[in-house]
Amino acid sequence: NAGVTQTPKFQVLKTGQSMTLQCAQDMNHEYMSWYRQDPGMGLRLIHYSVGAGITDQGEVPNGYNVSRSTTEDFPLRLLSAAPSQTSVYFCASSFRGGTYGYTFGSGTRLTVV
Amino acid sequence: EDQVTQSPEALRLQEGESSSLNCSYTVSGLRGLFWYRQDPGKGPEFLFTLYSAGEEKEKERLKATLTKKESFLHITAPKPEDSATYLCAVQALGSEKLVFGKGTKLTVNP
Repeated sequence: NAGVTQTPKFQVLKTGQSMTLQCAQDMNHEYMSWYRQDPGMGLRLIHYSVGAGITDQGEVPNGYNVSRSTTEDFPLRLLSAAPSQTSVYFCASSFRGGTYGYTFGSGTRLTVV
Repeated sequence: EDQVTQSPEALRLQEGESSSLNCSYTVSGLRGLFWYRQDPGKGPEFLFTLYSAGEEKEKERLKATLTKKESFLHITAPKPEDSATYLCAVQALGSEKLVFGKGTKLTVNP
């Protein structure tokens, strides 16, 4: 049972480049979400999904795009990377309601130069 | 707007020196309050969920309590391996989203 798998673990992008951060879970969780973590800012919600085909914006959605075509996968797309998107990105999943807690991936450390 | 404030930002303890971390929150209606542990370079690890005032949960040296305005994470006789950042988050009624505090960085010296 792998839990939540994020790839890549590290990435360096040039300003203006695009890329996709991958997130996959094997726990049949309905809910999936993306957070970014910055020093002194805590974890902030970017986008989330309550099921396949359903996505919604979180607190800081600008510059990011998501889709959810399967229950297992929830990729995060950076459309045109900016230095302000330098951060650590975490994917999390849970059953609806989060009763048993949210399971987080190990994170992707992204640097935009 | 739902908000979570954690204090202190950082706490240094000697091994065996018990203490408490605070999480104050405002939420329109509380569905759940979560505690997580995060080690450097890793994702948050789930510890507890609390649902109503007066509820308590324990795990090894950790005990979480909840009132209508705040939650405490009590650490009894901590060990160096308890060193980590502890995160508090709230979930509002009707929402699937978690709102996190900025965390308390705990260091336990041997």
